[in-house]
Amino acid sequence: QSVLTQPPSVSGAPGQRVTISCTGSSSNIGAGYDVHWYQQLPGTAPKLLIYGNSNRPSGVPDRFSGSKSDTSASLAITGLQAEDEADYYCQSYDSSLSGSVFGGGTKLTVL
Amino acid sequence: EVQLVESGGGLVQPGRSLRLSCTASGFTFGDYAMSWVRQAPGKGLEWVGFIRSKPYGGTTEYAASVKGRFTISRDDSKSIAFLQMNSLKTEDTAVYYCTRAAYYDSSGEWYFDYWGQGTLVTVSS
Repeated sequence: QSVLTQPPSVSGAPGQRVTISCTGSSSNIGAGYDVHWYQQLPGTAPKLLIYGNSNRPSGVPDRFSGSKSDTSASLAITGLQAEDEADYYCQSYDSSLSGSVFGGGTKLTVL
Repeated sequence: EVQLVESGGGLVQPGRSLRLSCTASGFTFGDYAMSWVRQAPGKGLEWVGFIRSKPYGGTTEYAASVKGRFTISRDDSKSIAFLQMNSLKTEDTAVYYCTRAAYYDSSGEWYFDYWGQGTLVTVSS
């Protein structure tokens, strides 16, 4: 049972828009801590996709965007491409655990 | 180019110890916090522990699942971070990733901006 809750899977056709939710609580996202997102392509290490709720590192396409509100956050991917098929994880800090917490991960399938 | 290379993984019996190393390059190692994240086979990511840079005290934080058994240290002169794992359990079997951590001094939180390729630790008799 992960501290942050994500849907196990989402899917979309090429060119479509999908969103992945990340729900937390008052000790993490709701406490004001930032949410960060990672993309893990099959067989590879995770890579930072979004940091500080909505910021993209250099090299990440602007098709990826993040937002945060109250105790939840969302990752949106527009103009879906086959190479976006991957696992996506949200991460934040939890004050009651005094450490980082991850969502359980969401598998994105591009139909 | 930032590079993180883990080493030291392998097969170990329950109750034994193992030390992982993470050799960093491409940035001023002593200026950054470092962290370890693991991923059990077919499972999601789990944060293991974190060490601040020396300017921020070099102090450590650990997940409850490893506290008291795992220790993170660093050698800034050699740009290496270590994960000492004692009293290993079968549930510690995972790929262990070394990460560079971007640390918010104001709030004490962090995220992981660069990741190594990971090293597999298998705990089994």
